[in-house]
Amino acid sequence: DAGVIQSPRHEVTEMGQEVTLRCKPISGHNSLFWYRQTMMRGLELLIYFNNNVPIDDSGMPEDRFSAKMPNASFSTLKIQPSEPRDSAVYFCASSLGLSIYEQYFGPGTRLTVT
Amino acid sequence: GENVEQHPSTLSVQEGDSAVIKCTYSDSASNYFPWYKQELGKRPQLIIDIRSNVGEKKDQRIAVTLNKTAKHFSLHITETQPEDSAVYFCAASKDSSASKIIFGSGTRLSIRP
Repeated sequence: DAGVIQSPRHEVTEMGQEVTLRCKPISGHNSLFWYRQTMMRGLELLIYFNNNVPIDDSGMPEDRFSAKMPNASFSTLKIQPSEPRDSAVYFCASSLGLSIYEQYFGPGTRLTVT
Repeated sequence: GENVEQHPSTLSVQEGDSAVIKCTYSDSASNYFPWYKQELGKRPQLIIDIRSNVGEKKDQRIAVTLNKTAKHFSLHITETQPEDSAVYFCAASKDSSASKIIFGSGTRLSIRP
């Protein structure tokens, strides 16, 4: 398996633009997680899905952020409109289950909003 | 909800010496405690984990200990090497259909040559 796949790897956009980050989890994994990492705030869990259903989105910073998982092999994280403070590395991770299984992280998307 | 605190935030040790990173958790029902290592510019990766039915687990130079009574667990790295330089995250979770894993704030470990 290729592991968790994220695209794009780097994204530079202007404030106010819409940004869409994409993730393909490992085949057979039924849980998917979106994280944001910054120097100031560390690794933050934004939202997670189990069997394509969002379980907890309490980490989503505000309404500008939304996430979907239309099927078991694809998820998106959308920021609209983007702001400079959204600049961070966004990781997607997948696992066999929610809580007591190893999480496999993707390579991350480095987002820069100018 | 669960809260995980991790100390220290930065740690510098001489190559060959040991390094210890400590974490505490708040939810006594937590029963799974993984440790992730993140090298500079790379993704976090699991290096070792422990479940609440054991008090210690070892894998070569890495060991983790768990004290359920005190609700704390620690990562021990012996004979440190330059490739051990990274950020280490502890985490805690419990076996529940709705439980999520909670990460500590991370420890930046530097190995001095």
